[in-house]
Parts: sequence; C-alpha cells; structure tokens
Amino acid sequence: SQQGEEDPQALSIQEGENATMNCSYKTSINNLQWYRQNSGRGLVHLILIRSNEREKHSGRLRVTLDTSKKSSSLLITASRAADTASYFCATDSGGGADGLTFGKGTHLIIQP
Amino acid sequence: AAGVIQSPRHLIKEKRETATLKCYPIPRHDTVYWYQQGPGQDPQFLISFYEKMQSDKGSIPDRFSAQQFSDYHSELNMSSLELGDSALYFCASSTQTGYYEQYFGPGTRLTVT
Repeated sequence: SQQGEEDPQALSIQEGENATMNCSYKTSINNLQWYRQNSGRGLVHLILIRSNEREKHSGRLRVTLDTSKKSSSLLITASRAADTASYFCATDSGGGADGLTFGKGTHLIIQP
Repeated sequence: AAGVIQSPRHLIKEKRETATLKCYPIPRHDTVYWYQQGPGQDPQFLISFYEKMQSDKGSIPDRFSAQQFSDYHSELNMSSLELGDSALYFCASSTQTGYYEQYFGPGTRLTVT
C-alpha cells in the first residue's frame, strides 16, 4: 500500500519564487526523508527529519513534520532552474535496515 | 566523496533470460537496499541486507534473489525475466549508526525485450 502521497503532483513556478511540496503518510514513522530525482537518474538525498523533530533547515531547504497530521512539507526558497526535478518523500517505520516507502512524487518545473 | 557504485549502468536482456546487478556501497556502510522503479513510478523497496544477513523484505518477486558479500557489496540476481521487469534498479547504502540516511546509486536501467 502507498505510504506517502505527494501534493501537488506537478508544480510550475518562476525562477526566484518559493516552491512548497507536501507529503502525507498513513502509518507511524521513525524518519522521513526527502529525495530529488532528475529525469531517469539517481535519487539524491536532500534531508532527513526524525519523528521527534518539527522543523529542519539545510541551505535553501526547509522541511516541517507534523506527526499528528501525518504530513510533511518541503520548501525550496529562491528557486533556480537547476531545481527542476521530481521530489519524493520516503518514510521508514523503525528498524535501521528497513526499506523506505516512497510517495508518488512532485514534479517541479522552474521557469527561467 | 565516494558514492554508491552500480554496474552495469544499462542492460538489455530477452524474456526468460537471467540478469545479475551489482552494487558497491559507500565505504564503511554496512547496509544495502535494493529498489525497483518502473517508468513514471515511485521507487519500490525490494530487499535489504545488514552485515551479510537479509534484514527486510519488500515486494521482491520469487524469481529474484540477492545477497551481500563479506566486502559488503551486493548482487541482485533476476531469473526468468519478464517484460514487466523492465525498470530502473537502484541500490542504496547506509550505516546502522546515526539516522540511517540512505544514499542511492545511479541505478541500472534494465530493458527486457
């Protein structure tokens, strides 16, 4: 069954604007991670937020986690053309070697 | 920094053939994971290994098997290939210390004809 669902499925914004993507999940989690994937290429790890954290920053990225609503958001500030990619959230439920459950992804297009 | 290495990067096989994909984790990473990503789909977890033992199992078909070797590299063996096995296969690695971030390799694109 699908754990994470991204919202929106596609997002197109102008360069320099902020982009916000949301992710919802169904079961209890240990960690939630965000990944970026350029078309047909590998998944790049962006940020991990633990279930006892509410917000985390890394450069132009800001991630929030609301475990009561089982949701997370990824904010990319001051977007650049190079940010064009698909963004996935992925969750694990506890064990260190557990596989990740991915959402459907948001396809972000940054218009120059 | 060293990343996860996968080989081959591209593979073309015919139906009913076998394929072996290899994964070399980041140095000092002891856990390996395999994922399958179909066209336009999200990655699906197949199987993971920690210290050469199977750790977690996802939606891996019975036709597939995998193992982790003493040098921590892993191989995914796929037999009786079907057209539906055409996909990107990713390997990821992590350590069992810290927060278990999984770092992905570039993937192997398998095409079954």
